[in-house]
Amino acid sequence: EVQLVQSGGGLVPPGGSLRLSCAASGFSFSTFWMTWLRQPPGKGPEWVANIKPDGSDTFYLESVQGRFTISRDNSQNSLYLQMNNLSPEDTAVYYCARIGPTGVVHWDYWGHGGLVTVSS
Amino acid sequence: QSVLTQPPSVSGAPGQRVTISCAGTSSNIGAGFDVHWYQQFPGRAPKLLIYTDTNRPSGVPDRFSGSKSGTSASLAITGLQAEDEAIYYCQSYDRRLSAYVFGTGTEVTVL
Repeated sequence: EVQLVQSGGGLVPPGGSLRLSCAASGFSFSTFWMTWLRQPPGKGPEWVANIKPDGSDTFYLESVQGRFTISRDNSQNSLYLQMNNLSPEDTAVYYCARIGPTGVVHWDYWGHGGLVTVSS
Repeated sequence: QSVLTQPPSVSGAPGQRVTISCAGTSSNIGAGFDVHWYQQFPGRAPKLLIYTDTNRPSGVPDRFSGSKSGTSASLAITGLQAEDEAIYYCQSYDRRLSAYVFGTGTEVTVL
């Protein structure tokens, strides 16, 4: 059974940093593209960043480029999102998700989500 | 703001058929990019319902079907059931934004 178990959310002041983690199991993690998405309260989901299976390529939403870093450790079957210089607009439930195997970007498995609140 | 527009809500009686539209532009759906659909219950992660316009993942009932034409796509639910009450989102890629984008979301209510 595919599982994505997240950790690391919480309350952080504006300008602060936070690191999210996502532990994968039940599939060959090192062969799948992975993604972080977020969903602000009362709004729809928003794509944040993608990472290639071997970690050699990453892609970001323009508004987080330079502040967020997606990374992975295939030896630990883990995905990470380092978030720096956070602003209140980054407040959201953050999800890790697996990109489906067909080569077209859609997300077939999602983590349970972790709330990140940026507030003083 | 989302570049994919959906009606805020649709409703139907049990057993009826409802459709949800997803209106895009020439930089996303109209450019030929695939459309995918997700179902989300309150407090839960979205769940993949339809991928690549018309395909259902294993375990998704065949009451759900997708279609695409021109700059828009649609999700149809036939034989509506109480358990279908949820918010539905379409998703595609926008080449002008260089980003994967979601629709505005549609809340389905079973009367």
